[in-house]
Amino acid sequence: NAGVMQNPRHLVRRRGQEARLRCSPMKGHSHVYWYRQLPEEGLKFMVYLQKENIIDESGMPKERFSAEFPKEGPSILRIQQVVRGDSAAYFCASSARVDRFEAFFGQGTRLTVV
Amino acid sequence: AQKVTQAQTEISVVEKEDVTLDCVYETRDTTYYLFWYKQPPSGELVFLIRRNSFDEQNEISGRYSWNFQKSTSSFNFTITASQVVDSAVYFCALSEGAYSSYKLIFGSGTRLLVRP
Repeated sequence: NAGVMQNPRHLVRRRGQEARLRCSPMKGHSHVYWYRQLPEEGLKFMVYLQKENIIDESGMPKERFSAEFPKEGPSILRIQQVVRGDSAAYFCASSARVDRFEAFFGQGTRLTVV
Repeated sequence: AQKVTQAQTEISVVEKEDVTLDCVYETRDTTYYLFWYKQPPSGELVFLIRRNSFDEQNEISGRYSWNFQKSTSSFNFTITASQVVDSAVYFCALSEGAYSSYKLIFGSGTRLLVRP
């Protein structure tokens, strides 16, 4: 769904660098969800954020990964000190209500760690 | 525990053939949602359908149809008169409850190749 915007579409980082992925939700949506798709696999839930709050981070790796959704601006998924295993496609989705998941994802950011 | 099984890893058909992609799910919840997505070679995720557990009606949308059977915990997807543009990886997914409906569990996907 073109309404959820992610950038960049492709990101290349060297091992040890930081990666910042951005997700702008659909207009009027205050709930954002991040998913990761490892090569040849289905998507896996990472984190759910509402404006300025992390609501559910049960799928986030314990180290090096963080997410935020500030009052103004896009949601950011940050990966510090990237390793080859972080190479994946990262998708986000948004909704106006938590009990009404819209099911539309952005076009994704493909992270390649070299 | 939740689980989605797409037993068909890869399917190859000739254009205009009908093809059915299988999806079997496991859940202990009575309220749940089932989804199908298409992921073409370009990589984006295209939403196809969401169905809640209380609606067992089959659905048809153009050449696409879905057969939801609670008795067998299956939500199969059929493409009629397949076309080359249908070539993609198709994912079935499940989520439970209203307030955790954002937490989708995806199957491993079925790669469909439609040959001209």
